[in-house]
Amino acid sequence: NAGVTQTPKFRILKIGQSMTLQCTQDMNHNYMYWYRQDPGMGLKLIYYSVGAGITDKGEVPNGYNVSRSTTEDFPLRLELAAPSQTSVYFCASMRGNEQFFGPGTRLTVL
Amino acid sequence: QKEVEQNSGPLSVPEGAIASLNCTYSDRGSQSFFWYRQYSGKSPELIMSIYSNGDKEDGRFTAQLNKASQYVSLLIRDSQPSDSATYLCAVNGLNTGGFKTIFGAGTRLFVKA
Repeated sequence: NAGVTQTPKFRILKIGQSMTLQCTQDMNHNYMYWYRQDPGMGLKLIYYSVGAGITDKGEVPNGYNVSRSTTEDFPLRLELAAPSQTSVYFCASMRGNEQFFGPGTRLTVL
Repeated sequence: QKEVEQNSGPLSVPEGAIASLNCTYSDRGSQSFFWYRQYSGKSPELIMSIYSNGDKEDGRFTAQLNKASQYVSLLIRDSQPSDSATYLCAVNGLNTGGFKTIFGAGTRLFVKA
């Protein structure tokens, strides 16, 4: 099993550009999450999904959108990138109470 | 008040010593408690979970939970340089629907050889 995979690993965006962060898991988990982690800070929940077709906002959803058309994939969309969105983004899936994290995407918005 | 609070550290201990990491939480309805370890530049990984008051031991790690005091701790015995990482305390509770995890900001641990 590959577990949770994320692409890209790194990305630099200009202000106003858009991009999609990809997340895929092969463990057939229903619950999936997107977090952002700023330097020296904990993980902040952006969006989550409890199954295909069902998504909901977390603590910091502004500026982001998600979709969940399949159990495996949970992409995160940034429509108009802003410097405040510079962060490391982690996708995770959950089995029971344990969360499995992807390797992260380091995003810089200049 | 933050929902999950941790001392940011850094906490520095010599090799072989006991490292003690502490965490408090605000939601009295919290039911599940976790410690994740995060190496620099890497993603978090679960190392301990605890659900009832008392101690839970797993190898060199012991998690302690006191729901009355809303307090969770992690003890690392015989600390090794490879234990140097950031440790994130995390909580699931009724306020989060049971499937959303609230993370603390983490405590950085340095184990000196």
